[in-house]
Amino acid sequence: EVQLVQSGAEVKKPGESLKISCKGSGYRFASYWIAWVRQMPGRGLECMGIVYPGDSDTIYNPSFEGQVIFSADRSISTVYLQWTRLQASDSAIYYCARQPWQGSPPDTWGQGTLVTVSS
Amino acid sequence: QSALTQPASVSGSPGQSITISCTGTSSDIGDHNYVSWYQQHPGKAPKLMIYEVTNRPSGVSDRFSGSKSGNTASLTISGLQAEDEADYYCCSYTTTSAVGVFGIGTKVTVL
Repeated sequence: EVQLVQSGAEVKKPGESLKISCKGSGYRFASYWIAWVRQMPGRGLECMGIVYPGDSDTIYNPSFEGQVIFSADRSISTVYLQWTRLQASDSAIYYCARQPWQGSPPDTWGQGTLVTVSS
Repeated sequence: QSALTQPASVSGSPGQSITISCTGTSSDIGDHNYVSWYQQHPGKAPKLMIYEVTNRPSGVSDRFSGSKSGNTASLTISGLQAEDEADYYCCSYTTTSAVGVFGIGTKVTVL
């Protein structure tokens, strides 16, 4: 069974750093792009960008470029989403999702990671 | 890229059929058949309901069907049931972005 399992909820203060993870199983992890998708409270889905675990190639949605960092460790079938300085506006649920090919709609989703940034 | 356009809400009575539209451009929906639909219940992750415009993943009820005409894709739910009450999102490949584009979402209410 194809699965993506994300790290648990986080509560942080503005200005702090954070790295959340997404671990894949049940398929050849290195061969599929992973998208990071943001859902702010009461809002819709926004694709932040994608990362290819095979070579750690990344493509950012221009709206998120410079705000977050994607990375991957294919040896442990895990991708990461990182912030160096969180803001309150980063409070949201973040999903990882597998793309069958680059740019395609995702077919499998992680359970989501709730990030709360508050002083 | 701009989000795909969906109605904010659609409602229907149990047993009825409803259709949710998803309108894009000739760079996304109008250019190919890589359109998916997702169902999201409160507090849950999105679930794939339709892929490549018309295909249902294994395990998804055949009450859900998809179609496309020009720049608009549609999701139809037949025999509406209480459990269908959720938010629904479309998503399309787009030639203008490597990351794809989502619709703004539609809240389905079962009266």
